[in-house]
Amino acid sequence: NAGVMQNPRHLVRRRGQEARLRCSPMKGHSHVYWYRQLPEEGLKFMVYLQKENIIDESGMPKERFSAEFPKEGPSILRIQQVVRGDSAAYFCASSPAVATNEKLFFGSGTQLSVL
Amino acid sequence: AQTVTQSQPEMSVQEAETVTLSCTYDTSESDYYLFWYKQPPSRQMILVIRQEAYKQQNATENRFSVNFQKAAKSFSLKISDSQLGDAAMYFCAYRSGGRGGSEKLVFGKGTKLTVNP
Repeated sequence: NAGVMQNPRHLVRRRGQEARLRCSPMKGHSHVYWYRQLPEEGLKFMVYLQKENIIDESGMPKERFSAEFPKEGPSILRIQQVVRGDSAAYFCASSPAVATNEKLFFGSGTQLSVL
Repeated sequence: AQTVTQSQPEMSVQEAETVTLSCTYDTSESDYYLFWYKQPPSRQMILVIRQEAYKQQNATENRFSVNFQKAAKSFSLKISDSQLGDAAMYFCAYRSGGRGGSEKLVFGKGTKLTVNP
């Protein structure tokens, strides 16, 4: 059973370009979370999605950032018109259900570098 | 809003010795979960140990144990018989409990642990 798969592992973009980060949850998991880790910081929650629904996007910047988790395929975190401050590691985590004793499984992250 | 504070940016320990990493948190909730995650240079977030707030008994996982002081809102991690492979960033995290609560984790800023041979 493969773990949470994130790709690409490293992504380099120039200012103004778009970044698309992909996350395939573990098999059987229908809940996905995205976190951002700035240098020397802990992870910060961005968004929580279930299949075709955004449940909590309280950590998402108001502009340029969007996330989706379609019925088929991976979850996508999209950053439009990237700026240098978007450079960070972006982590995805998944769980099988809402029950709060369920363990979260993390991917290895995507390191986004904006030139 | 809940906050998690790790007051030790860096710690070091000699191989085979014991080290304790500190974590305090602030919440008005009575039902919640606390976690310690390990992040080695590979960046993979690895769950080390979990504590349910309603349990008085401190959680233990092999060489890892916690000292959970609910009244003091303190949740420290003790690593016994430290090994070179324990070297990593360690993050303390909080999650609300109960149905209807947010599923998101709130992380501290981390403690970088160095293990000296």
